[in-house]
Amino acid sequence: DVKVTQSSRYLVKRTGEKVFLECVQDMDHENMFWYRQDPGLGLRLIYFSYDVKMKEKGDIPEGYSVSREKKERFSLILESASTNQTSMYLCASSYRGYTEAFFGQGTRLTVV
Amino acid sequence: AQSVTQPDIHITVSEGASLELRCNYSYGATPYLFWYVQSPGQGLQLLLKYFSGDTLVQGIKGFEAEFKRSQSSFNLRKPSVHWSDAAEYFCAVGGGQNFVFGPGTRLSVLP
Repeated sequence: DVKVTQSSRYLVKRTGEKVFLECVQDMDHENMFWYRQDPGLGLRLIYFSYDVKMKEKGDIPEGYSVSREKKERFSLILESASTNQTSMYLCASSYRGYTEAFFGQGTRLTVV
Repeated sequence: AQSVTQPDIHITVSEGASLELRCNYSYGATPYLFWYVQSPGQGLQLLLKYFSGDTLVQGIKGFEAEFKRSQSSFNLRKPSVHWSDAAEYFCAVGGGQNFVFGPGTRLSVLP
């Protein structure tokens, strides 16, 4: 079975902390994505990566960075967490061609 | 520009009733279309997909969707809704490196 695993289901962090959200996929997918989901705003793409060490900004990259050192792992980094980054974060992966995306279970991040 | 609209923000149906969730898209080429479902606090699960061929596609959990190119629509249907179908449903277009998601339709099911 296809698996995209996010390291935490729930996280509570303090303002100003550096936060790491980890995502691992076991399908040898080339593409990996980080989305943010907020009520009424749907899914918004933060960053995606199409290969190891390669990344592209999405629609809302400000305040975030990413790292992809290995094909199976894609990390989202909040350099200095702020309360407006409280949200649900979803990781996804897909093959290079036109195929579907597979999603992790999500990380609910609260910044206090 | 690619876009997806789901005109209904929230739909309520009675258990056992039929369901249709609407999706319209704007896409420059032949679209690849998807429906996903999200239960509360969970990630998105693929219900079905359309790449080519038969315009009526079957998915998991008894769902189906019909692609109508002339109407730029990909509506999701289920003949008889179960209480466990209560969730949020997302239509998406694209694939591979580029996915555009609709805003979602929340489905409530009355007993």
